[in-house]
Amino acid sequence: EVQLVESGGGLVQPGRSLRLSCAASGFIFEDFAMHWVRQVPGKGLEWVSEISWNSGTIVYLDSVKGRFTISRDNAKNSLYLQMNNLRPEDTAFYYCVKDIGAGSIRGFDYWGQGTLVTVSS
Amino acid sequence: IQMTQSPSSLSASVGESVTITCRASQNIHNYLNWYQQRPGKGPSLLIYAASRLQSGVPSRFSGSGSGTDFTLTISGLQPEDFATYYCQQSYITPDTFGQGTKLEIK
Repeated sequence: EVQLVESGGGLVQPGRSLRLSCAASGFIFEDFAMHWVRQVPGKGLEWVSEISWNSGTIVYLDSVKGRFTISRDNAKNSLYLQMNNLRPEDTAFYYCVKDIGAGSIRGFDYWGQGTLVTVSS
Repeated sequence: IQMTQSPSSLSASVGESVTITCRASQNIHNYLNWYQQRPGKGPSLLIYAASRLQSGVPSRFSGSGSGTDFTLTISGLQPEDFATYYCQQSYITPDTFGQGTKLEIK
């Protein structure tokens, strides 16, 4: 059974940093691209970042570029999101998401339960 | 790319069939996915590549369309289908989602 378990969320002041982690199990982690997607409570979904299976390709949403860094450790089956210079508009649930891995077709076939990041003074 | 879903909310009864539409602001070919999200949970993938049923998803869910106009149809609603549904384009980064359609019990 595929499981994605996020951790590291919490309340943080504007301008501070937070590091999210995602522990993956139930699939061959090193074979798949991974993503972070966020959702403001009660609102819609927003893709944040993607990292390819070997970390060779990394892409960010424009509004987080230069502030967020995605990384992975295939030996530990783990995905990370380092978030620096946080802003109130970054407040959201952050989901760790597995790519479907169907060649050129992108899709998010497994999602974690989400971890809440609240940026407020 | 902007994704626009309609309606934003929908009321229906168990056993009915419903259709949700999603329109892209430009041609996305068949790079369109559908997700279901129940309260307090992460989304789950229903349909990918516009019409391919994700493994384990009941066959009452179907998707169609290409280019800019897409539909998700649920034939014979079950109690567990009352949730919020999102479309997502994966043709151009950043992937973008529709605003969601909340399906409620009538």
